[in-house]
Amino acid sequence: DAGITQSPRHKVTETGTPVTLRCHQTENHRYMYWYRQDPGHGLRLIHYSYGVKDTDKGEVSDGYSVSRSKTEDFLLTLESATSSQTSVYFCAISAGQGGRDTQYFGPGTRLTVL
Amino acid sequence: KQEVTQIPAALSVPEGENLVLNCSFTDSAIYNLQWFRQDPGKGLTSLLLIQSSQREQTSGRLNASLDKSSGRSTLYIAASQPGDSATYLCAVRVGGGADGLTFGKGTHLIIQP
Repeated sequence: DAGITQSPRHKVTETGTPVTLRCHQTENHRYMYWYRQDPGHGLRLIHYSYGVKDTDKGEVSDGYSVSRSKTEDFLLTLESATSSQTSVYFCAISAGQGGRDTQYFGPGTRLTVL
Repeated sequence: KQEVTQIPAALSVPEGENLVLNCSFTDSAIYNLQWFRQDPGKGLTSLLLIQSSQREQTSGRLNASLDKSSGRSTLYIAASQPGDSATYLCAVRVGGGADGLTFGKGTHLIIQP
């Protein structure tokens, strides 16, 4: 499982509240990712990080921000949650190199915004 | 923009059959392709990775092929078992380094005992 944990695993919140999801890895991987999974859309990339304090936007970044102050932690923040952000959120890391770099995923966080 | 399509969306077969899951992508300039398995309510488990220079990869009863020029990959499952029931996802990576994956919507597979 590449030593990836996500917290919380489940969260219910109300529209307009801020929410922060945490991804923690134990194996010092440089690249980390946040995806969301929705019925009918599959998995889509939100943000990614290529090092401490180095992040960039993915396909569906509006309404989300990220931070990476330590190699092992990658935080996803919903500044003001909306019902459209109800989803399952997955963190991933990339391990390997030279064409064999493989992405491994965490167990996911199920977020419900009421 | 890279798009990934998986056909069929759902498949139900009796135990013991050999089966093929299909994945197509619109831009043949890929870095690698991964097949994943996802059980209900769970995360993704990486099954196979094929580099852009490779034609196929095998792991146990699973064999994945890649034809970059036609934008296609197939996942072959031999002698299917009820424990193979899951959703199978195909994902392509356009570049190395920090590039993320572009996913298909998956094939939901049910193996009947």
